[in-house]
Amino acid sequence: KQEVTQIPAALSVPEGENLVLNCSFTDSAIYNLQWFRQDPGKGLTSLLLIQSSQREQTSGRLNASLDKSSGRSTLYIAASQPGDSATYLCAVRQEGGATNKLIFGTGTLLAVQP
Amino acid sequence: DVKVTQSSRYLVKRTGEKVFLECVQDMDHENMFWYRQDPGLGLRLIYFSYDVKMKEKGDIPEGYSVSREKKERFSLILESASTNQTSMYLCASSLTLHQPQHFGDGTRLSIL
Repeated sequence: KQEVTQIPAALSVPEGENLVLNCSFTDSAIYNLQWFRQDPGKGLTSLLLIQSSQREQTSGRLNASLDKSSGRSTLYIAASQPGDSATYLCAVRQEGGATNKLIFGTGTLLAVQP
Repeated sequence: DVKVTQSSRYLVKRTGEKVFLECVQDMDHENMFWYRQDPGLGLRLIYFSYDVKMKEKGDIPEGYSVSREKKERFSLILESASTNQTSMYLCASSLTLHQPQHFGDGTRLSIL
């Protein structure tokens, strides 16, 4: 059974720092991996999606990498800003499934201090 | 941009009531999903639908049912609400099975 883990559960950094969020999964047979952002009391906003054949994806100050064989993904945020404060979730979609079922980690709560 | 709209942001109901949560998407997506989110447990899939009138159980379907009479609308039904169904409910949609899921803002449901 696929398990997705995000460590640390919470992170606090000063504004301007570069930071890395981690996501690990136990079954490497994934179709893709998606990173989301969730603001308090809100839904999820899709940030980046990496297909299993890709190594990384970039969007602005965000860069997500995927090492499928070792079951790891990282989300790199450059020059962090207070507006980046949110919970970041990763989710994997299994290979071979007939559905688009995502399996989520429990998230990392990020606080960027001004 | 994809727009997924959930009818209520906050809802308070009583034990035993029949509760309807509505979700509408405006991008002609084939697939729609209902999740619940609880502290320490993350998001868990309740039901999903890959076409009109089609539905499949997710990981935690007990106590819930769904309806998809039109492509753009996916309803979650709590047949007889119980206090353990107090949670944040999130609806999502995707164009195909391989495309990203897009989420609504969620409905925070309290069962008293």
